[in-house]
Amino acid sequence: ETGVTQTPRHLVMGMTNKKSLKCEQHLGHNAMYWYKQSAKKPLELMFVYNFKEQTENNSVPSRFSPECPNSSHLFLHLHTLQPEDSALYLCASSQEPSGDDEQFFGPGTRLTVL
Amino acid sequence: QKEVEQNSGPLSVPEGAIASLNCTYSDRGSQSFFWYRQYSGKSPELIMFIYSNGDKEDGRFTAQLNKASQYVSLLIRDSQPSDSATYLCAVKGGDYGQNFVFGPGTRLSVLP
Repeated sequence: ETGVTQTPRHLVMGMTNKKSLKCEQHLGHNAMYWYKQSAKKPLELMFVYNFKEQTENNSVPSRFSPECPNSSHLFLHLHTLQPEDSALYLCASSQEPSGDDEQFFGPGTRLTVL
Repeated sequence: QKEVEQNSGPLSVPEGAIASLNCTYSDRGSQSFFWYRQYSGKSPELIMFIYSNGDKEDGRFTAQLNKASQYVSLLIRDSQPSDSATYLCAVKGGDYGQNFVFGPGTRLSVLP
């Protein structure tokens, strides 16, 4: 595996379900990110982890709970979501957040909340 | 309020023409500027970045930065149908801090 991978690629869940999104980067980067991309809206930064420590929580509702066990893995735990949470969730990584390094994106998880 | 603005498009150009994509940003202290391309159903991929005023060329792509006008553009020469995608402008630094702030993207359609 190379680059940034995400699983699952598609997820349909009810509002009472609990599910988790997984991201893994094989680039040796130190920073990982979760973004939300909704139709006709800019990419919204949700969380930033630098060396496994959360450095940014962009006013994300508590029904989204991130977890970063190590620099290569990032999870987004979902519970009691709302239909408006349906979107493409993108994971990204970079060497470190403070530099001018580009961010590499995973393929995303298309989430539908019924 | 931190803002990065782009025309949503769609911008339609004939094959072989020059496509010009524009982006404005609100924070004069911004330092780094990136252009990403996103094909439908795919994730964004970096095309170019620029830090200094002026032009930066890479193959058929030229990024232009004018910090005084808070304006960055991407020119695509000899446009191909395979260039049809959404182009995202991203800004970093200044009040934007260490994280990227993305514009809404411009959808480009190159007509054969």
